[in-house]
Amino acid sequence: EVQLVESGGGLVKPGGSLRLSCAATGFTFDSRNMNWVRLAPGKGLEWVASISDNSIYISYGESVRGRFIISRDNAKGSLYLQMNSLRVEDTAVYYCVREEGSGWFQYWGQGTQVTVSS
Amino acid sequence: EIVMTQSPDSLAVSLGERATITCKSSQSVLFTTNNMNYLAWYQQKPGQPPKLLIHWASTRASGVPDRFSGSGSGTDFTLTISSLQAEDVAVYYCQQYYYPPRTFGQGTKLEIK
Repeated sequence: EVQLVESGGGLVKPGGSLRLSCAATGFTFDSRNMNWVRLAPGKGLEWVASISDNSIYISYGESVRGRFIISRDNAKGSLYLQMNSLRVEDTAVYYCVREEGSGWFQYWGQGTQVTVSS
Repeated sequence: EIVMTQSPDSLAVSLGERATITCKSSQSVLFTTNNMNYLAWYQQKPGQPPKLLIHWASTRASGVPDRFSGSGSGTDFTLTISSLQAEDVAVYYCQQYYYPPRTFGQGTKLEIK
């Protein structure tokens, strides 16, 4: 069974940093592209970042580019999101997501809450 | 960036009745080489992660009831729930995966009338 378990969320002040982790089990992690997607309060889903299976291809949404860094450790079956220079508008539930086929999202973690507030 | 626009923003339908949500993309998501539309639909209930309903615009994901169907091509797509059940109350999103960044519609909140 595919399982994605996020951790690392919490309350942080504007300008601060946070590192999210996602532990993946139940599939061959190093053969799948992975993503982070977030849901802010009162807003819709927003794709944040993606990383290819071998970490060669990485991309970011415009709102986080230059502040967030996505990475993975295939040996540990883990996905990460380093979030720097956090803003109030980064407050959201962050989901770890496995990409399927040509790019749809079948498997989602339960999410981890990130709150940026002074 | 491909902009996805859903309508309506919210919808109230009686139990057993049909619910229809539309999604329009700012440019075509039909890849003519394989004649496939790079469009997915998701359902999200409060406190839960999104659930994939449909990909390739009309292919139901495993375990999704057949009252859910997707249609459309190019820039105009529809998600139809043929007979609304109480457990279908949720927010529904379309998403294009034709071209990065993968973008979602703003969501449609479906309620019981």
